[in-house]
Amino acid sequence: EPEVTQTPSHQVTQMGQEVILRCVPISNHLYFYWYRQILGQKVEFLVSFYNNEISEKSEIFDDQFSVERPDGSNFTLKIRSTKLEDSAMYFCASGLSGTAMGYTFGSGTRLTVV
Amino acid sequence: QKEVEQNSGPLSVPEGAIASLNCTYSDRGSQSFFWYRQYSGKSPELIMSIYSNGDKEDGRFTAQLNKASQYVSLLIRDSQPSDSATYLCAVTLNSGNTPLVFGKGTRLSVIA
Repeated sequence: EPEVTQTPSHQVTQMGQEVILRCVPISNHLYFYWYRQILGQKVEFLVSFYNNEISEKSEIFDDQFSVERPDGSNFTLKIRSTKLEDSAMYFCASGLSGTAMGYTFGSGTRLTVV
Repeated sequence: QKEVEQNSGPLSVPEGAIASLNCTYSDRGSQSFFWYRQYSGKSPELIMSIYSNGDKEDGRFTAQLNKASQYVSLLIRDSQPSDSATYLCAVTLNSGNTPLVFGKGTRLSVIA
């Protein structure tokens, strides 16, 4: 069964450092998403991406965050200057037909900011 | 503010029993409804989607939707210990690419 692949599975970084989280969506999918889940809390939407541009972003997705699909297969989330409160599980997801049909989540990257 | 509310549990049921999980949502414009299963430390896994009022069955799972009451439920028949997980309710407006709004989840424990 096709999978959404995320790397690394766990990243530890110092506060103020830049991190890039990487995702390889399912190959024929057209819609891409990043969500995060702080330990013990809800899964929260960050950003959606379609046709090489951001479709929608949440209040969490401020100027410190950016997304890119640099080569037609990878989909990356960059956090420019990490804060302690950025520590969370970050999930990439992809879908064939947008949100309404549901989509597939990757296994996640656990980001720990120290 | 769009909200999705779930009882956090834990909900404990004996093996073989029916587990009933409930969810309410605040946005009357919501059109698509999903149940995801999340094992501890893992990603959400889609198990059911429902778009119309009524019941939808898939194997041991039945999703129920009542838009007038803004209520979604998931029934798991013949519960197994492997069903022990957190079940996340998620809703969205059906306008293409709007984000999912998740509830905090209900932790289900199936006792052998």
